Amino acid sequence: GAVVSQHPSWVICKSGTSVKIECRSLDFQATTMFWYRQFPKQSLMLMATSNEGSKATYEQGVEKDKFLINHASLTLSTLTVTSAHPEDSSFYICSARVEEKGNQPQHFGDGTRLSIL
Amino acid sequence: GQNIDQPTEMTATEGAIVQINCTYQTSGFNGLFWYQQHAGEAPTFLSYNVLDGLEEKGRFSSFLSRSKGYSYLLLKELQMKDSASYLCASLDSNYQLIWGAGTKLIIKP
Repeated sequence: GAVVSQHPSWVICKSGTSVKIECRSLDFQATTMFWYRQFPKQSLMLMATSNEGSKATYEQGVEKDKFLINHASLTLSTLTVTSAHPEDSSFYICSARVEEKGNQPQHFGDGTRLSIL
Repeated sequence: GQNIDQPTEMTATEGAIVQINCTYQTSGFNGLFWYQQHAGEAPTFLSYNVLDGLEEKGRFSSFLSRSKGYSYLLLKELQMKDSASYLCASLDSNYQLIWGAGTKLIIKP
């Protein structure tokens, strides 16, 4: 149980393109999902917490107009990288927890490798 | 402030035992997680400790001392496939995960 699906797994696109990444909890409902970014050989960096039915909570330094998050339902959150540039190239990973609060582990999607040319 | 410390890199031999340490300082504490992350892949859950002591799960064990703000992950009978980064993460009082930078474990034949 507790499977998180992330799509697409790999995106290569031109600078200025907007890219949408989907994160789905397949066998549970998730009121909260998390979006991370990871640059090569660096640690996971939390970008934002996605809350179903309300606005996402962004971490300091993350531009909310650049990284649009929509948590449309209890099983789907999307991250849109708007007008992507080469410096946005990174590994983006979503995760979800079975319970909104509690000590259940976060379960991760497989990640999306984004390359902006 | 909140802080998680773990070694950047460790090297061990196939078949041996290795212990990866983690110290934490967080606002409140609701448990400690260990995750494994292979290169180019997302992290996968390994263990969770909230009470003091050792939790054993096959070749992997995790230990916690709340009074010392200390945990370790013990890997026995190392296999080449255990080469990965191991992430320590503390759950704070708001149930937010505070992540360590990860320990890259290199296994040599």
